Amino acid sequence: QQPVQSPQAVILREGEDAVINCSSSKALYSVHWYRQKHGEAPVFLMILLKGGEQKGHDKISASFNEKKQQSSLYLTASQLSYSGTYFCGVKRGDDKIIFGKGTRLHILP
Amino acid sequence: KAGVTQTPRYLIKTRGQQVTLSCSPISGHRSVSWYQQTPGQGLQFLFEYFSETQRNKGNFPGRFSGRQFSNSRSEMNVSTLELGDSALYLCASSFKGQAPGDIQYFGAGTRLSVL
Repeated sequence: QQPVQSPQAVILREGEDAVINCSSSKALYSVHWYRQKHGEAPVFLMILLKGGEQKGHDKISASFNEKKQQSSLYLTASQLSYSGTYFCGVKRGDDKIIFGKGTRLHILP
Repeated sequence: KAGVTQTPRYLIKTRGQQVTLSCSPISGHRSVSWYQQTPGQGLQFLFEYFSETQRNKGNFPGRFSGRQFSNSRSEMNVSTLELGDSALYLCASSFKGQAPGDIQYFGAGTRLSVL
């Protein structure tokens, strides 16, 4: 069953912040975040393992609430290069990664 | 270190034909997963191979099949193509695949158009 991502799409001006949410109906072992630009391969951003940790990469960070089976991706002071579609993928135990339908992010100058 | 390589990048086929897509994983990676990407549906899992064995399978009809060779390269085959098979097919490789912390790296994909 696919995780549910919200919002489906968001438009921001450069410098604004964004939050993308990912929810699952089943217990998760890890959450994987990717960004895909049009016509390109999805690029790995970060992985969060069971334990409620928060990770950061430059101005992009994420949290994982295993009790709520939710993860959120935070983009701070967004840059034009952040535009693209963001996917969360969830893994349960030894199983495959199941991806959400994606969140389209468009940054305006 | 070379990334995941998928060939061909583009394919045009007609209904009823069959097609074979190829994926060469990152050197040292033994797990290869295939995904179908269509507008609005995100990445739909097809199957995963590890050490030449199919380890996981998604909810796709039997027309979709795959295999993995001893050098970890993988092929995906779609027989009796239908218009709805038009999509971007992505391959991803990882070291082992099963560990929660195992990271998948994607290739650029093969865009298949069925006419």
